Amino acid sequence: NAGVTQTPKFQVLKTGQSMTLQCAQDMNHEYMSWYRQDPGMGLRLIHYSVGAGITDQGEVPNGYNVSRSTTEDFPLRLLSAAPSQTSVYFCASRDGGSYEQYFGPGTRLTVT
Amino acid sequence: GDSVTQMEGPVTLSEEAFLTINCTYTATGYPSLFWYVQYPGEGLQLLLKATKADDKGSNKGFEATYRKETTSFHLEKGSVQVSDSAVYFCALEPRDDKIIFGKGTRLHILP
Repeated sequence: NAGVTQTPKFQVLKTGQSMTLQCAQDMNHEYMSWYRQDPGMGLRLIHYSVGAGITDQGEVPNGYNVSRSTTEDFPLRLLSAAPSQTSVYFCASRDGGSYEQYFGPGTRLTVT
Repeated sequence: GDSVTQMEGPVTLSEEAFLTINCTYTATGYPSLFWYVQYPGEGLQLLLKATKADDKGSNKGFEATYRKETTSFHLEKGSVQVSDSAVYFCALEPRDDKIIFGKGTRLHILP
């Protein structure tokens, strides 16, 4: 099992550009989530999904879109990047009957 | 709303010292409680969990007890090693399936 994979590892964007952060898991987990990690702020939930075709907003959803067309994939789209979106982004997944979340290695995004 | 408060770091200790990282929570109902660890350059990993009052979670020499009366879930280890240097996150899961994380405590262990 590869677990949770994220691409790219690093990305630099200019203000106003759009991009998609990819996340995939091969554990057949129902639940997937996107978090951002900022210094002194811990992890904040952006969007999450409890199954294919179902998504919902977390604590800080503005400026981000998600979709869940398959169980395996949960991409995060930045529509028009802003410097405030400079952060490290983590994708996570878990089985519906389990408490343990599995995290990907993260994507470090810088918006200039 | 539900929240987690953990002690600010960084915490610096010498090898073999006793470790306590405090965590308190605010939640309605009876959430599950977790400690996650993040090693440099990696994502978070579940360290231990407790799902009901008085449960003790343990793993790799770390322990934490779910104390409902004090709404706490303090992380302890009797003798830390250099390899324990990492960021530790306390977290809770209310019954709506969204996990809420504390801000993290950075731990440095000196040889």
